[in-house]
Amino acid sequence: DIVMTQTPLSLSVTPGQPASISCKSSQSLLHSDGKTYLYWYLQKPGQPPQLLIYEVSNRFSGVPDRFSGSGSGTDFTLKISRVEAEDVGVYYCMQSIQLPSFGQGTKLEIK
Amino acid sequence: QVQLVQSGAEVKKPGASVKVSCKASGYTFTSYGISWVRQAPGQGLEWMGWISAYNGNTNYAQKLQGRVTMTTDTSTSTAYMELRSLRSDDTAVYYCARVERRRLAYWGQGTLVTVSS
Repeated sequence: DIVMTQTPLSLSVTPGQPASISCKSSQSLLHSDGKTYLYWYLQKPGQPPQLLIYEVSNRFSGVPDRFSGSGSGTDFTLKISRVEAEDVGVYYCMQSIQLPSFGQGTKLEIK
Repeated sequence: QVQLVQSGAEVKKPGASVKVSCKASGYTFTSYGISWVRQAPGQGLEWMGWISAYNGNTNYAQKLQGRVTMTTDTSTSTAYMELRSLRSDDTAVYYCARVERRRLAYWGQGTLVTVSS
């Protein structure tokens, strides 16, 4: 099974400041088809998770461009260029090169 | 627009079974799979399994093998997840999600299953 490890587990950010979350996988997420199956989700309080980023760096429909993803192989990063109040919640990375697994989650709060 | 609407909250006794439904609309049901993900209170997300709405093929998380069954009814565009021999640590919110190219792009609202004597 692929283990996903996120850091930090919590983050407190002043509005307008940037934020960054790291996700490391225990195996490479690069598939033989050339795609890397790494995703980022945000779960706002009391809501189901919502897809932010797919295949490392592609923003899903409707996701603001202040969210960006990068990385390769086993190391990935989600960046928020300027945090807004509506960005609070728990961020999860997920892999699906094998049976899907999630990171532990990173809780983002506003200072 | 794509919608996944799940059945309501359930309270079950240990050892019982629960069956959660997920009714899809806004797309061709048989063109996508459905994954089920659960979240225990205050905890993270746990992938439970996947079913192809096209041919009914399934893949379950190893820890749930033998206790979980996922099915679909294409006539009503509904997916089902049944979990048997319930234990207290099965208390969780259960989500269905549409699978497209390995990503979980659209999610149901969640169904709280409480297991308590």
